[in-house]
Amino acid sequence: QKEVEQDPGPLSVPEGAIVSLNCTYSNSAFQYFMWYRQYSRKGPELLMYTYSSGNKEDGRFTAQVDKSSKYISLFIRDSQPSDSATYLCAMSGGTNAGKSTFGDGTTLTVKP
Amino acid sequence: GAGVSQSPRYKVTKRGQDVALRCDPISGHVSLYWYRQALGQGPEFLTYFNYEAQQDKSGLPNDRFSAERPEGSISTLTIQRTEQRDSAMYRCASSLAYDQPQHFGDGTRLSIL
Repeated sequence: QKEVEQDPGPLSVPEGAIVSLNCTYSNSAFQYFMWYRQYSRKGPELLMYTYSSGNKEDGRFTAQVDKSSKYISLFIRDSQPSDSATYLCAMSGGTNAGKSTFGDGTTLTVKP
Repeated sequence: GAGVSQSPRYKVTKRGQDVALRCDPISGHVSLYWYRQALGQGPEFLTYFNYEAQQDKSGLPNDRFSAERPEGSISTLTIQRTEQRDSAMYRCASSLAYDQPQHFGDGTRLSIL
């Protein structure tokens, strides 16, 4: 079983919908939680970065971390066709703080 | 440029050859990371540096893989005696410090014939 599990999708929603993306993890030492967006043939682009539990909002994006449940979420409000991409969660912390462990990504398509 | 720069973008080589992949991090970033990403999967950690010191190389698959960052800036990932299973996208990332968010380059696509 992988340390970080992410539903691969694909997920298809109409423009304007609220999107919910989730990851679960098993390593309780993780303290830093990231969401990346990756377009085809490009490198991952950092969207959200949070430390420990709680919520963080940035424009249309909200990241939630629940360390007690080992569950993180990314919400996208008013989704746009330009949000169509693969979304990767990543985590780090503990003795190997420099090493990030990634999920395998969820592919999202937002239809106009 | 302002971002992480990797070269070459594409590398095709024959099995058994050595290859060197280069990463130029964002200026001022102390930490530099190498990952490998298979199609349909997330990046898989290989190794990382703080300045010129290699902090963790636990992800390097075997002793054919090595990395260096001699002056604490540009880094090279070297694969000796390449095998077909080494074919993948190799990604580099950098950050201000080891506990800060990582910023990725667009990768080097390595194909071993």
